[in-house]
Amino acid sequence: NAGVTQTPKFQVLKTGQSMTLQCAQDMNHEYMSWYRQDPGMGLRLIHYSVGAGITDQGEVPNGYNVSRSTTEDFPLRLLSAAPSQTSVYFCASSHVPGSTGNTEAFFGQGTRLTVV
Amino acid sequence: AQSVTQLDSQVPVFEEAPVELRCNYSSSVSVYLFWYVQYPNQGLQLLLKYLSGSTLVKGINGFEAEFNKSQTSFHLRKPSVHISDTAEYFCAVSITGGGNKLTFGTGTQLKVEL
Repeated sequence: NAGVTQTPKFQVLKTGQSMTLQCAQDMNHEYMSWYRQDPGMGLRLIHYSVGAGITDQGEVPNGYNVSRSTTEDFPLRLLSAAPSQTSVYFCASSHVPGSTGNTEAFFGQGTRLTVV
Repeated sequence: AQSVTQLDSQVPVFEEAPVELRCNYSSSVSVYLFWYVQYPNQGLQLLLKYLSGSTLVKGINGFEAEFNKSQTSFHLRKPSVHISDTAEYFCAVSITGGGNKLTFGTGTQLKVEL
């Protein structure tokens, strides 16, 4: 059981370049999300999705796009990278809480992105 | 909106000593509470969670936490730490009825020394 898989693990971009961070999960989770982790700031929510075809913005969405065409995949796109987007990015997935309220999120290993 | 405060950015402790990592939250609605651990260069792993019921929650690796609604706290404790517990610990909340959006604290780096 692979869980949540993120690729690539490391990436260096030049300012203005675009790229896509990949995230895939094999647990049939409806809910997927992207966070960025910066020193002294914890993790902040970028975008999330409650199912295929449904996405919404989180706390820090500017400069990022997402789409959800399948249950398994939730790619994060940087359209024009900026140094302020240097960060570690984490993808997470979970079931949408039902009557049990069980909201455990499973995280990928992270993508360390540097924009120069 | 909800928020999470982890007052201690770093906590040094000797091996086999007890430890408490503090977490306070703010929310106008009921919340679910979580503690996650992040080992170096790894993703986050769930330690324990409070959804409802007993306010004392036991998790993996001998950790436990107590939900205190009146003090809006969810402190993490371990009676005897091991060198392998060295990691960063994050407290997080999600609001009931708010889906699975997590709001994280800024993290506490636990350093266990011999």
